[in-house]
Amino acid sequence: GENVEQHPSTLSVQEGDSAVIKCTYSDSASNYFPWYKQELGKRPQLIIDIRSNVGEKKDQRIAVTLNKTAKHFSLHITETQPEDSAVYFCAASPSSNTGKLIFGQGTTLQVKP
Amino acid sequence: EAGVAQSPRYKIIEKRQSVAFWCNPISGHATLYWYQQILGQGPKLLIQFQNNGVVDDSQLPKDRFSAERLKGVDSTLKIQPAKLEDSAVYLCASSLYQLATFTGELFFGEGSRLTVL
Repeated sequence: GENVEQHPSTLSVQEGDSAVIKCTYSDSASNYFPWYKQELGKRPQLIIDIRSNVGEKKDQRIAVTLNKTAKHFSLHITETQPEDSAVYFCAASPSSNTGKLIFGQGTTLQVKP
Repeated sequence: EAGVAQSPRYKIIEKRQSVAFWCNPISGHATLYWYQQILGQGPKLLIQFQNNGVVDDSQLPKDRFSAERLKGVDSTLKIQPAKLEDSAVYLCASSLYQLATFTGELFFGEGSRLTVL
């Protein structure tokens, strides 16, 4: 069935370093790939997304890349700050195209001051 | 604009008891989702409504879970009887998703944390 794998499950970096989180998906017809950030005890919130007709998208310190051939996409955070500490979830919209999102398992990012 | 509202925020029950969660989506959002988030895992879709019709309930354990969305606005999710493994955060989300093309992000509520003892 539809599946999204996310790695690593935890990531610790020093403030100012870069962080990269990777996801792979199983449904080759998936066409929408959002990333959500969830701070402790709070709701998930969309931080960036990419569609299948685009290879890369950037928004200030965050960027997402998509490789459709390999069926993987990645989140890149540069110049990390302590407030970037949170759980990050990738997701994919499967070919059923109903607005459904399949989420990865999440990556806990810790940015050390 | 007001966000997605959920209640209760916390609920503790014993196994075999029943529980109900309520969700009020963002005004004008036709699509409503219930996700189950077990500690340490990503959200898993339980059911998706488009207006008051069910679009996807393939992952809903129908022997114990039920959901409805009367008049295409508010929704309730019920669990009866609850099991220990139902302990999780139940997230409601809404979107402006339009058929044929996914056009909108999901807006999540704060969630309802269920503990089954």
